[in-house]
Amino acid sequence: DARVTQTPRHKVTEMGQEVTMRCQPILGHNTVFWYRQTMMQGLELLAYFRNRAPLDDSGMPKDRFSAEMPDATLATLKIQPSEPRDSAVYFCASGLSGAYEQYFGPGTRLTVT
Amino acid sequence: DQQVKQNSPSLSVQEGRISILNCDYTNSMFDYFLWYKKYPAEGPTFLISISSIKDKNEDGRFTVFLNKSAKHLSLHIVPSQPGDSAVYFCAPHSNFGNEKLTFGTGTRLTIIP
Repeated sequence: DARVTQTPRHKVTEMGQEVTMRCQPILGHNTVFWYRQTMMQGLELLAYFRNRAPLDDSGMPKDRFSAEMPDATLATLKIQPSEPRDSAVYFCASGLSGAYEQYFGPGTRLTVT
Repeated sequence: DQQVKQNSPSLSVQEGRISILNCDYTNSMFDYFLWYKKYPAEGPTFLISISSIKDKNEDGRFTVFLNKSAKHLSLHIVPSQPGDSAVYFCAPHSNFGNEKLTFGTGTRLTIIP
């Protein structure tokens, strides 16, 4: 049963701390997406990779957020320093190049106090 | 600049009746439209889709209708079941040669037994 996995599932941290969220895409998938879900904005695209290369990170606050794919089985999203307004659920999704459907992980619920 | 609007944040429907969820968009470059379903504490899952060259696609109890001239699509669920209670997202794809989806803000559907 192929699934996207995300760790941690929940994270509570204090303002100013670094937060790292990890995602393991479905084996064989070569596109990876990071989304943030808030009550007001719905699902916002933060970053998007194809074959590990970043294609679009225009939705990401550049001064504090960074997204990388160290290898094909791991994608990371870092926030440094974190702020209370970053509190949200962060989803990772993976898919295949040229296909429309994206497969989502269960999300990381981040609370910054 | 909200390209995708789901104007009903919530909808309640009696079990067995028809549920109709609506989605309006402004971008004429959208060429494929997906609907995702999301349960609490889980990631969105793909439900049904439609290409812009069609005006209807049916899959069991779920039917999606597309009106390109009005830039409007709708998801019909009939008969509605308690397990259909979830948040539904409309997610169009733009034909710019990438795999990005633009998600609407979602409609929370509650099926009343």
